[in-house]
Amino acid sequence: AQTVTQSQPEMSVQEAETVTLSCTYDTSESDYYLFWYKQPPSRQMILVIRQEAYKQQNATENRFSVNFQKAAKSFSLKISDSQLGDAAMYFCAYRSANTGNQFYFGTGTSLTVIP
Amino acid sequence: AAGVIQSPRHLIKEKRETATLKCYPIPRHDTVYWYQQGPGQDPQFLISFYEKMQSDKGSIPDRFSAQQFSDYHSELNMSSLELGDSALYFCASSQGQGPYQPQHFGDGTRLSIL
Repeated sequence: AQTVTQSQPEMSVQEAETVTLSCTYDTSESDYYLFWYKQPPSRQMILVIRQEAYKQQNATENRFSVNFQKAAKSFSLKISDSQLGDAAMYFCAYRSANTGNQFYFGTGTSLTVIP
Repeated sequence: AAGVIQSPRHLIKEKRETATLKCYPIPRHDTVYWYQQGPGQDPQFLISFYEKMQSDKGSIPDRFSAQQFSDYHSELNMSSLELGDSALYFCASSQGQGPYQPQHFGDGTRLSIL
């Protein structure tokens, strides 16, 4: 099974600053999709951004962008102009394009935003 | 916009009891996924359904079963509950099974086993 690793259990950032959350994964597949989900204290799971492995261009959604390094199997999330509402647990997730449709989640990074 | 609805929000049971969790997907979503998230853990995939048929199976215990009904809602049935079953149970839905389709999650059901 694929494994997803988030090596930063906790991160903090000053409001309006930029923070990068790291994620690495292990797979032998060449075709797959990567996602970042946010889980605030309200415990919802909210899609933040997604990336197709076959695309070299990094995905961007407003203040959120990724740095996808396929050869290094790295998929980091950059949050610019951090806001108090960004405080949450962030999960990196992997999904195969070919075998099964389940998500494999990392263990999460808890992000604190300091006013 | 309509979201995934899960009921109940909270459920308290005792060991060896049974529980049924319900999930109502977003309208026109035909695929449902169940995840279990233990305290401080990442969500673990249990099982999924596409067009009322089981499509994928993860780490779902034999004591659990699930199904998807004709209106696409799904139920997770849990029997002989154990203390270790205490967790947040998420349901997610998507339109189709395509790997690029994002899974939209419900708010989860918090199951506590006493």
